[in-house]
Amino acid sequence: TQLLEQSPQFLSIQEGENLTVYCNSSSVFSSLQWYRQEPGEGPVLLVTVVTGGEVKKLKRLTFQFGDARKDSSLHITAAQPGDTGLYLCAGDYYGNNRLAFGKGNQVVVIP
Amino acid sequence: DAGVIQSPRHEVTEMGQEVTLRCKPISGHNSLFWYRQTMMRGLELLIYFNNNVPIDDSGMPEDRFSAKMPNASFSTLKIQPSEPRDSAVYFCASSKGHASSYEQYFGPGTRLTVT
Repeated sequence: TQLLEQSPQFLSIQEGENLTVYCNSSSVFSSLQWYRQEPGEGPVLLVTVVTGGEVKKLKRLTFQFGDARKDSSLHITAAQPGDTGLYLCAGDYYGNNRLAFGKGNQVVVIP
Repeated sequence: DAGVIQSPRHEVTEMGQEVTLRCKPISGHNSLFWYRQTMMRGLELLIYFNNNVPIDDSGMPEDRFSAKMPNASFSTLKIQPSEPRDSAVYFCASSKGHASSYEQYFGPGTRLTVT
């Protein structure tokens, strides 16, 4: 059973378009992180959200943590080919300092 | 900073053989994590250490898997005997703090293929 469900699993868009991907769970998280992973490399942390309803921006990326701290979304404005990658969400669910990862959203931005 | 270093980057072995994966965490980090990534199950935590002591190994799939951290700058993950279903990418990560809210820095991974 996957604690964190990410949707859509795969998304292909044209450069300049906007996109939103989602990370959902039935469990409450004390914090949630988003990572980006490129082929042949390990995940790299993009952002950590800790407060319900929190919105964080990282250039063209906007991250939102749900009010109930069970879900999160990532919105990319005017996507660029450099945004291509696997986006992973990870939640501190167990309360014992373990992160549970979703399977990821594979995003492909076509030039 | 060199980042987290893993070796080898690729390993191909036959079923039944022993496999040892190695990790050097970032200097000054006191927590180390071993993960396994597959298409089917995504990224799963196998075990993590804090100050060289194993804190939680509940993610280790079975007794064929073992991990050690003899000092602050080195850790190994051993599979003996290996099986085809162990084929995956294995990541090592380190962080400054014990809490999962600290940023984890991942290595490039070891792609293991067991035939």
